[in-house]
Amino acid sequence: ETGVTQTPRHLVMGMTNKKSLKCEQHLGHNAMYWYKQSAKKPLELMFVYNFKEQTENNSVPSRFSPECPNSSHLFLHLHTLQPEDSALYLCASSQDGISGGPGNTIYFGEGSWLTVV
Amino acid sequence: AQSVAQPEDQVNVAEGNPLTVKCTYSVSGNPYLFWYVQYPNRGLQFLLKYITGDNLVKGSYGFEAEFNKSQTSFHLKKPSALVSDSALYFCAVRPNTGGFKTIFGAGTRLFVKA
Repeated sequence: ETGVTQTPRHLVMGMTNKKSLKCEQHLGHNAMYWYKQSAKKPLELMFVYNFKEQTENNSVPSRFSPECPNSSHLFLHLHTLQPEDSALYLCASSQDGISGGPGNTIYFGEGSWLTVV
Repeated sequence: AQSVAQPEDQVNVAEGNPLTVKCTYSVSGNPYLFWYVQYPNRGLQFLLKYITGDNLVKGSYGFEAEFNKSQTSFHLKKPSALVSDSALYFCAVRPNTGGFKTIFGAGTRLFVKA
């Protein structure tokens, strides 16, 4: 149990489907992240929310739409994805200040395996 | 450009032998350094971090890491490897300029043979 819970763990969706990934953290953190992990590629930071406000968007295509209703919950809404979007999507959280804190540890969830067919 | 390099895709060691997983970085200033481990079909688990102070940092599961500022390296070590240590290891660096970006290496797969 990492304190960061992701659902579903596995998702198969067609290119025309709409689905969502959910993340909940029980650590009392205020910053939440979405990362994408593809085979043989470094982790890619997608989005960062701090105190519910988006602070980072790493040029992510609009078919990925994040939502952060509060500091404990983070969603990733998926629409008209492509097969190359198949990957492990990792949610994470950290306890950071308003501007971020360099020494703060990021804690990850178990990930959601996404397959786009 | 800021980067983290893990020069070995895979490291093979025999159980009971010492292990080293290498990491070098190119990040300006005095960044903060992390190691994570990922077991199959799992997320990343935090192992240890270096903020300041003693260059040898101890972490979970008997792992430690040595920071070398002149060589901009942060190698992960363990005196005696276990088969259960077999996993994917990631080095990560967070610049000390604020913000939320952590730069991850591509990962090194550790295989410990019984």
